[in-house]
Amino acid sequence: DAGVIQSPRHEVTEMGQEVTLRCKPISGHNSLFWYRQTMMRGLELLIYFNNNVPIDDSGMPEDRFSAKMPNASFSTLKIQPSEPRDSAVYFCASSLMGQGNTEAFFGQGTRLTVV
Amino acid sequence: SQQGEEDPQALSIQEGENATMNCSYKTSINNLQWYRQNSGRGLVHLILIRSNEREKHSGRLRVTLDTSKKSSSLLITASRAADTASYFCATDAFYSSASKIIFGSGTRLSIRP
Repeated sequence: DAGVIQSPRHEVTEMGQEVTLRCKPISGHNSLFWYRQTMMRGLELLIYFNNNVPIDDSGMPEDRFSAKMPNASFSTLKIQPSEPRDSAVYFCASSLMGQGNTEAFFGQGTRLTVV
Repeated sequence: SQQGEEDPQALSIQEGENATMNCSYKTSINNLQWYRQNSGRGLVHLILIRSNEREKHSGRLRVTLDTSKKSSSLLITASRAADTASYFCATDAFYSSASKIIFGSGTRLSIRP
């Protein structure tokens, strides 16, 4: 397995534009997590899905952020409209929860810069 | 809000010395994990300790867990330059209808040659 795949690796966009981040989890995993990492706030859990269903989105900062998981092999995180303070590295991780071993496998991240 | 807090925030030691990082958390957990992150990369899982375990070893890593104090420690013995990275603890706790993994603030470890 190629691991968790995120795209794009880097994204530079202008304030006000829509940004869509993509994630392909590891096949067979039933949980998917979106995290945001900044120097000031560290690694924050934004939202997580279990069996494609959003379980907890309390970490999503504002209504400008939305996430979907239309099937077990794909998820998106959308920011619309984007703002400079959204600049961060966004990580997607997947896990096989419920088996006693909840190790999370991370993608390489998307470095987002909003100018 | 973050579940775990690591200390120290930064640690610099000489190659060959042991490095100890601590983590405190707030709620009951199923297990606690430690991850490593090299600069500009994603996190990599190092070791998991279950709530009913007190100590676990993996190579040069030793993890302890004290559920009464809601704390854990990660010891890296005989440190190497390649151990330079940020280390995070993460707790797996049951929320709502499923578990979620919450990370601490991390410890930046620098190994001096």
